[in-house]
Amino acid sequence: NAGVTQTPKFRVLKTGQSMTLLCAQDMNHEYMYWYRQDPGMGLRLIHYSVGEGTTAKGEVPDGYNVSRLKKQNFLLGLESAAPSQTSVYFCASSYLRGGPSTDTQYFGPGTRLTVL
Amino acid sequence: AQSVAQPEDQVNVAEGNPLTVKCTYSVSGNPYLFWYVQYPNRGLQFLLKYITGDNLVKGSYGFEAEFNKSQTSFHLKKPSALVSDSALYFCAVSVTGTASKLTFGTGTRLQVTL
Repeated sequence: NAGVTQTPKFRVLKTGQSMTLLCAQDMNHEYMYWYRQDPGMGLRLIHYSVGEGTTAKGEVPDGYNVSRLKKQNFLLGLESAAPSQTSVYFCASSYLRGGPSTDTQYFGPGTRLTVL
Repeated sequence: AQSVAQPEDQVNVAEGNPLTVKCTYSVSGNPYLFWYVQYPNRGLQFLLKYITGDNLVKGSYGFEAEFNKSQTSFHLKKPSALVSDSALYFCAVSVTGTASKLTFGTGTRLQVTL
């Protein structure tokens, strides 16, 4: 099993450009998440999905959109990138085993995005 | 709203000495507490979690954590630190009914030296 993978690993954008980050998991997990990690702020939830075809807003959703067309994939889109979106982005997934609040989340290796 | 505090940005310890990384939380309801570790340029890895039952939770790599409800704490401990334990450690909390939304602390960098 590859676990959770993220594409690309690094990206540099200019302000106003768009891009899509891809997250894929091969563990048949129901839940998937997108976080951003900024120095001194820990991880903050951007959007999450509780199943194929469903998405919901997290703590910091503005400027981002997501889609979960297939159970194994969760896409994060930036329609018009801004310097404030410079961050490291992590995808995670969890299996609805004991309950949504108690499941362990498994993280991908991250995507480092710089917006100039 | 739920929150997590990790009061120390960095903890320094000599190899072979015991280590403690502190975490306190604030929630409405019963907390579920997690510790994750992040090595340089890697994603977060799960260490351990407290859901219910025994307040002392044992996890990966010899780490353990003690849930203290009266002090709203969940400190991470290890009896004997290794240089390879040097990493960034995150405490996180979730609560029933929050759709597995974890709230993370700001992280504590553990530096273990020879």
